[in-house]
Amino acid sequence: AQSVSQHNHHVILSEAASLELGCNYSYGGTVNLFWYVQYPGQHLQLLLKYFSGDPLVKGIKGFEAEFIKSKFSFNLRKPSVQWSDTAEYFCAVTSSGGYQKVTFGTGTKLQVIP
Amino acid sequence: GAVVSQHPSWVICKSGTSVKIECRSLDFQATTMFWYRQFPKQSLMLMATSNEGSKATYEQGVEKDKFLINHASLTLSTLTVTSAHPEDSSFYICSAPPPGLAGGGNEQFFGPGTRLTVL
Repeated sequence: AQSVSQHNHHVILSEAASLELGCNYSYGGTVNLFWYVQYPGQHLQLLLKYFSGDPLVKGIKGFEAEFIKSKFSFNLRKPSVQWSDTAEYFCAVTSSGGYQKVTFGTGTKLQVIP
Repeated sequence: GAVVSQHPSWVICKSGTSVKIECRSLDFQATTMFWYRQFPKQSLMLMATSNEGSKATYEQGVEKDKFLINHASLTLSTLTVTSAHPEDSSFYICSAPPPGLAGGGNEQFFGPGTRLTVL
């Protein structure tokens, strides 16, 4: 069975600080990896995704993530956060090919202080 | 982009009653939809996969007689929590894959969620 762990449950940063949120997954096969974001009062939306190819993936709003297969990791980064990045971030994984369920991490609540 | 809606956004009910939650794909057809449950400070847990025209597929540990799922049309799936109890209080979220692509190999479009409180 696949699982996802997010190391940071609550992160507080000042504006312009750099962000890195950890995500590790456990699965024996090929995976598809996602980061979703949930802004306060809004529904989950896709931030970025990795299926294959370049392991450095760029998403919306200046976010990026790097897939490191040897470490089973897919950490999310942003060089300079803004107050509007305050949200909850979920790492998710599905196994490649055909129909498979999505497994989510526990989420990381990011609070950016102006 | 594709939009998924849920109704109601919140509901309060008495213990022992049944509650129906609707999930609609507003501008696309979805042969498959997914139902999740989210407890406070926890992750989304997949409950079941709703399949248009066939029975839902439930995840291990989810009572199918408790959580009835009906995929009535290509744009509507309903989750009915039967004989609800306080421990069923939670945030229920549905999702659907992008048009033309079914399955977990692609991202999902999520509904805004339904907050259920059982007194």
